[in-house]
Amino acid sequence: TQLLEQSPQFLSIQEGENLTVYCNSSSVFSSLQWYRQEPGEGPVLLVTVVTGGEVKKLKRLTFQFGDARKDSSLHITAAQPGDTGLYLCAGKASGGSNYKLTFGKGTLLTVNP
Amino acid sequence: NAGVTQTPKFQVLKTGQSMTLQCAQDMNHNSMYWYRQDPGMGLRLIYYSASEGTTDKGEVPNGYNVSRLNKREFSLRLESAAPSQTSVYFCASTLGGSNQPQHFGDGTRLSIL
Repeated sequence: TQLLEQSPQFLSIQEGENLTVYCNSSSVFSSLQWYRQEPGEGPVLLVTVVTGGEVKKLKRLTFQFGDARKDSSLHITAAQPGDTGLYLCAGKASGGSNYKLTFGKGTLLTVNP
Repeated sequence: NAGVTQTPKFQVLKTGQSMTLQCAQDMNHNSMYWYRQDPGMGLRLIYYSASEGTTDKGEVPNGYNVSRLNKREFSLRLESAAPSQTSVYFCASTLGGSNQPQHFGDGTRLSIL
């Protein structure tokens, strides 16, 4: 089983602060996805990264895929209360099923006004 | 634009009862998935259907059965519910392949007493 470890598990910050959450594995992943989940709803895809070293930006969110494709990070600049939610990384392991994703346990982010 | 629709949204069962969770998608997606989400455990794959007519076990299939009724619908059945199956269940669909975004329903909150 290819595991994705997310850290920190919980993060509570003030509006305007910057933060980074991490997604790490000992296995190589051919692609990684980041999802955000709000209470009472299903996860919603934020981004997919497929190339080692790739950096993608989505407004105040910056996603990076590690060179060795074993890790990824999500950086949020000037966090806002609307960023509150559970952030999940999910990946397709190299050599694994083309149809299955492995999910991390998530980082629960709270941004206080 | 409904996306992925799950029914029911909430259900309370007694130990030993059976029930079927329904999922339908209107995006003409090929692959469909059932996950369970428990506190501190992230999303765990129960079963998936890569395409119409096929189903495969995921990480935690014991105690569950599935039916891919047609391209749109993928149901999850609990034959004899146990308290350990108390969870939030999510259905997801994707066009095909794990690099594609997974679209989730809003979940079924199931409590087994």
